[in-house]
Amino acid sequence: EAQVTQNPRYLITVTGKKLTVTCSQNMNHEYMSWYRQDPGLGLRQIYYSMNVEVTDKGDVPEGYKVSRKEKRNFPLILESPSPNQTSLYFCASRTGTDTSEAFFGQGTRLTVV
Amino acid sequence: ILNVEQSPQSLHVQEGDSTNFTCSFPSSNFYALHWYRWETAKSPEALFVMTLNGDEKKKGRISATLNTKEGYSYLYIKGSQPEDSATYLCASMFSGGYNKLIFGAGTRLAVHP
Repeated sequence: EAQVTQNPRYLITVTGKKLTVTCSQNMNHEYMSWYRQDPGLGLRQIYYSMNVEVTDKGDVPEGYKVSRKEKRNFPLILESPSPNQTSLYFCASRTGTDTSEAFFGQGTRLTVV
Repeated sequence: ILNVEQSPQSLHVQEGDSTNFTCSFPSSNFYALHWYRWETAKSPEALFVMTLNGDEKKKGRISATLNTKEGYSYLYIKGSQPEDSATYLCASMFSGGYNKLIFGAGTRLAVHP
């Protein structure tokens, strides 16, 4: 079954404690993105990757890091989480052709206290 | 700054009503328009991807139209059912945007039995 798998689904952590949210897709997609969703706002892109070892900042990259060492995996790293990073996070992948639809993971609800 | 606007923000209808909502986007450098359906506690799922002015797409009781010259798309639901209750997201792509999707804040639809 074609899918994007994110883990964990829910996470409560403390300010400053490094964490990683994993994302894996089994569709051989080139393009992967991370978004955050906050009330009243659209999905905002944090980082994206157009292929292995190619990553770039989205609209709200501050406080986040990513890596793309393999095509299927695109982890999101918060080196020192802060309360303003409390949000719902989605990973998504696409084939990379311009009009292809995005496939989303199940979402990770992160709370930083 | 490229902005995608959706209206209304939320909508309550009775079962059997037909409804529609709007996605507005800058018409210059337009490339593609996506619609997604996002049920609570699930992942957003693609409904339509449209690129050409005048495009109309249909999936069951849901259809969408696209006007790229004036920068808007309509999503229609005929004979709404409670299972149509969800947030409907639109996202636009623009030329030179590195395949980036810019999302609107969504329209939250509640269909009451």
